[in-house]
Amino acid sequence: NAGVMQNPRHLVRRRGQEARLRCSPMKGHSHVYWYRQLPEEGLKFMVYLQKENIIDESGMPKERFSAEFPKEGPSILRIQQVVRGDSAAYFCASSPTGQLSGANVLTFGAGSRLTVL
Amino acid sequence: AQKVTQAQTEISVVEKEDVTLDCVYETRDTTYYLFWYKQPPSGELVFLIRRNSFDEQNEISGRYSWNFQKSTSSFNFTITASQVVDSAVYFCALRNQGAQKLVFGQGTRLTINP
Repeated sequence: NAGVMQNPRHLVRRRGQEARLRCSPMKGHSHVYWYRQLPEEGLKFMVYLQKENIIDESGMPKERFSAEFPKEGPSILRIQQVVRGDSAAYFCASSPTGQLSGANVLTFGAGSRLTVL
Repeated sequence: AQKVTQAQTEISVVEKEDVTLDCVYETRDTTYYLFWYKQPPSGELVFLIRRNSFDEQNEISGRYSWNFQKSTSSFNFTITASQVVDSAVYFCALRNQGAQKLVFGQGTRLTINP
């Protein structure tokens, strides 16, 4: 009964490289959320996806960031041409239905910590 | 607009002391949900409690208790007889009914010294 699985747990990239972070939701969950935690700050919403659909990406930076949740496989958060300011912990959360359906509690993964050199 | 304020950036107490973490929120909605999460040094986020805006009963779970007061828009968290294992960053969060996003406070870093 695995929880939300994120990998890699730690990722180091040089400026200009690409970072790919993966998230497998809990079994039976079809809704995925990505949050970013900058150093010494709280978590900030980035994007909400269902299978094959981006529902709300209002928290995503306009450039270099993209997310997908394909029919098969994990959700991917992709950051192109990383810069030092992208260094953060990226958390994925999942829920069985959309939060619109009620007071769903998000189950978070352990996070992926990106360090950009 | 939604906002969560955790004014205490860091708290340090000696083991067995009681400690209260403050959380003040802002929202225009009448139906909303409040949450507390714990982030231990290992980094994961652990759900502690959810409260909806219609339920102002205080809640106690072992050494943990929560005081929800709509009149002051506060949802404070008290740990009684603190233990070293309680050392973590604690986040308060808010979600309006119908909204997709959780809005988090900045977090309070709690250190329990032996």
